Amino acid sequence: AQSVAQPEDQVNVAEGNPLTVKCTYSVSGNPYLFWYVQYPNRGLQFLLKYITGDNLVKGSYGFEAEFNKSQTSFHLKKPSALVSDSALYFCAVREGGATNKLIFGTGTLLAVQP
Amino acid sequence: SQTIHQWPATLVQPVGSPLSLECTVEGTSNPNLYWYRQAAGRGLQLLFYSVGIGQISSEVPQNLSASRPQDRQFILSSKKLLLSDSGFYLCAWSGQGYSPLHFGNGTRLTVT
Repeated sequence: AQSVAQPEDQVNVAEGNPLTVKCTYSVSGNPYLFWYVQYPNRGLQFLLKYITGDNLVKGSYGFEAEFNKSQTSFHLKKPSALVSDSALYFCAVREGGATNKLIFGTGTLLAVQP
Repeated sequence: SQTIHQWPATLVQPVGSPLSLECTVEGTSNPNLYWYRQAAGRGLQLLFYSVGIGQISSEVPQNLSASRPQDRQFILSSKKLLLSDSGFYLCAWSGQGYSPLHFGNGTRLTVT
């Protein structure tokens, strides 16, 4: 069965510093991975996805993610954090089949201090 | 461009009352549609998905049901709400292939 794990409940970073939000995956077959962000009382917003190809994926709002097959990881990164990046971040993996169903991790709360 | 609408934004209902949450998508045809529930502000659980009109798949046994009466309309229902039905309900759509899910703004349901 497909699954993702987000080992950190919360990540704290100072504004202007680089940030990393961790995600590891377990899949049978090729992994199709996604990152989403959720602001309070809002739906999830799509940031980026890895399907195939380049291991460094660029997404919205300056975020990028690095796919590492040997470490089964898909960490979200940003070179310089903003206070407005503070939110809940979810990693997800496509379950398989024709439906695009996603299985989500438990989420990581990112807190960026000014 | 495509948009997804979900309503109401918040809802407070007594135990035993019925429920109807509606979701509509604009700007695309034949989308895959999904209902997720988010409990305690974190974990997302897939409740139902649909690949076409009248085609509903349930992921977990529960007190809820879903229907898709039109191509871009997805409805979540219950005949009698339980306290445990409280949560944040999110509707989403996707295209075909490996397209991402796009979420609505959610409905916060409180069952009292």
